Amino acid sequence: GEDVEQSLFLSVREGDSSVINCTYTDSSSTYLYWYKQEPGAGLQLLTYIFSNMDMKQDQRLTVLLNKKDKHLSLRIADTQTGDSAIYFCAPRKDSSYKLIFGSGTRLLVRP
Amino acid sequence: ETGVTQTPRHLVMGMTNKKSLKCEQHLGHNAMYWYKQSAKKPLELMFVYSLEERVENNSVPSRFSPECPNSSHLFLHLHTLQPEDSALYLCASSQQYGELFFGEGSRLTVL
Repeated sequence: GEDVEQSLFLSVREGDSSVINCTYTDSSSTYLYWYKQEPGAGLQLLTYIFSNMDMKQDQRLTVLLNKKDKHLSLRIADTQTGDSAIYFCAPRKDSSYKLIFGSGTRLLVRP
Repeated sequence: ETGVTQTPRHLVMGMTNKKSLKCEQHLGHNAMYWYKQSAKKPLELMFVYSLEERVENNSVPSRFSPECPNSSHLFLHLHTLQPEDSALYLCASSQQYGELFFGEGSRLTVL
């Protein structure tokens, strides 16, 4: 079945880089999204990558995709306290409404 | 502001009550979603409507009843709920199979 795995917790110092990892099982995933959820809020789309790409950079965010290993990562450069939140990876197949979410990684940024 | 508005933000109800959650999107999208977010569990897709027709229904108990009167509005009617139904209910919208935009959620507590 479809499954998405993320580590539950990551703690970094302010100014350092953060790397959040995700593995998924469905090799037919075409779009891979990263969402951010701050306390008491909904999910905010951060960025996404198509399965025919291996890297995408968007300001402080870099997404790396290893399609062979079904591994996705999100790197946040110069992490700030405002980046403290839960980050979700969510793959989706082409022509499907269904996003499969992992349990999320809670990022804590220490001053 | 994500363009997706959910009301109420917080709801407390007894097991015999009937209540409804409302979602409205101002993005011109044609698909709308209900997700359930429980503590320590991945987000669960409940229902998807595309062009006001239900296209996904993921084994949700009948005590949850969705309604999509037009492409901008989505309701989740609740009746005879159980304490384990307490969760954050998230509404989202998309343009067909595009990225999802989420509301802030309705926090439901069932006593």
